[in-house]
Amino acid sequence: DAGITQSPRYKITETGRQVTLMCHQTWSHSYMFWYRQDLGHGLRLIYYSAAADITDKGEVPDGYVVSRSKTENFPLTLESATRSQTSVYFCASKLDSQFSYEQYFGPGTRLTVT
Amino acid sequence: GEDVEQSLFLSVREGDSSVINCTYTDSSSTYLYWYKQEPGAGLQLLTYIFSNMDMKQDQRLTVLLNKKDKHLSLRIADTQTGDSAIYFCAESANFGNEKLTFGTGTRLTIIP
Repeated sequence: DAGITQSPRYKITETGRQVTLMCHQTWSHSYMFWYRQDLGHGLRLIYYSAAADITDKGEVPDGYVVSRSKTENFPLTLESATRSQTSVYFCASKLDSQFSYEQYFGPGTRLTVT
Repeated sequence: GEDVEQSLFLSVREGDSSVINCTYTDSSSTYLYWYKQEPGAGLQLLTYIFSNMDMKQDQRLTVLLNKKDKHLSLRIADTQTGDSAIYFCAESANFGNEKLTFGTGTRLTIIP
C-alpha cells in the first residue's frame, strides 16, 4: 500500500552536476506530474505524462528532462543543476478517467543546489 | 496565461472561523479546488467546486464561488490546531484536470 513515493527526500548537489529525482506509484495511474514549489509562486508544473512514452511540457520545463518507460515510474533529471533549481519538487499521479479529478501527491524532494 | 492569487499568510485564534481567499483570472476556469499541505508532506485534495455552483458545504468546510468577480473562498469553521497548514486553491478548465494552475498558497497559523 505504498501509493506514491519519491526519492531521495533530501538532496544537496553542486552547480553543474546532473541530478535525477525518482517518482514511483503503485496505483497504475495513467497520468503523472512533476511540480516545483517555491515561496511566492505556489506549485508550478514542470512536465507531465499521460501514459508511458507520452510526455509534455508544463509551465517551467527549461533545464529539466523527463522520461516514462514504465507506467509506474516518472524520473525527473536536472541535466546541469543551477542555483535557481533549488526548490521542493513534488510528483503527483491521477487516474486517466474523465470522471477522475483528484491528483495524488508524493511527499516531496527538497533539493538544494550549492 | 492563467493566474491564481492568494494571500501568503493568515493567523486565526483556535475556535474561530478561518476564511482563505483566492482570485483567478481565467474565465474558462470550470473546476476549482482546495488542496491542503501539512508540514513536510505533499498536497491532499480537501474539496472542490464546479463553476455551475455558488456554494458547497462539507462538514466544517464551506466553499463560496463568485464567478462574476472570479473569487473563491474557503471557510473553516471552529478552526483547530490540526488545521495548521498551507492551503492552495487551484483551477482547471477541464474536468480531467490534466493541467492544474495553483495559487501561491496561504499559510494558516492557529493561535491557541
